[in-house]
Amino acid sequence: DTAVSQTPKYLVTQMGNDKSIKCEQNLGHDTMYWYKQDSKKFLKIMFSYNNKELIINETVPNRFSPKSPDKAHLNLHINSLELGDSAVYFCASSLGLAGGLAETQYFGPGTRLLVL
Amino acid sequence: KNEVEQSPQNLTAQEGEFITINCSYSVGISALHWLQQHPGGGIVSLFMLSSGKKKHGRLIATINIQEKHSSLHITASHPRDSAVYICAVRSSGGATNKLIFGTGTLLAVQP
Repeated sequence: DTAVSQTPKYLVTQMGNDKSIKCEQNLGHDTMYWYKQDSKKFLKIMFSYNNKELIINETVPNRFSPKSPDKAHLNLHINSLELGDSAVYFCASSLGLAGGLAETQYFGPGTRLLVL
Repeated sequence: KNEVEQSPQNLTAQEGEFITINCSYSVGISALHWLQQHPGGGIVSLFMLSSGKKKHGRLIATINIQEKHSSLHITASHPRDSAVYICAVRSSGGATNKLIFGTGTLLAVQP
């Protein structure tokens, strides 16, 4: 009954490969997010979707493409992986935009990506 | 310079001590979050506040909007409180619900 789940938990791959990370939430939330945590443990938002619509798209390489098949899922596809993509990627969800009010975000366990 | 600054970066305390972690920010915000990241990597939301003070068990969070400052206090600290504590603000301009994170405070509570 995990609230926000991510697969895989660990991903080790070669430079140049294409990989996907999946995220699912069973909280009935409308908004989902992808964050990247670098080696210095600094978290930064990458994308956010609300009801399958992209609402936040930070300056990330266009090798990163989020896809939301439905509001319970937000997947992250990465093309032509580079060494600098090694990081922990966290998915999160929140109830919704709620008229602009701030909301608690619920985080997944993270996916540790290592590019060799 | 980060828009969200935390201090201290590292903190070691003895079990039972009262702990304070500070967060200062330079942008207009609509809310501030305190998050806890366990040694295993999982992130848990502790508080979300936009004014005043909130308390949950041994944890207390305060915010002063005028001074753009928030503090997280832990009373009667315990080794299980050892974690990274992260302050994040929701900017009041731009995209809704965008969080800007501080660099975190690594807390180690020794028995």
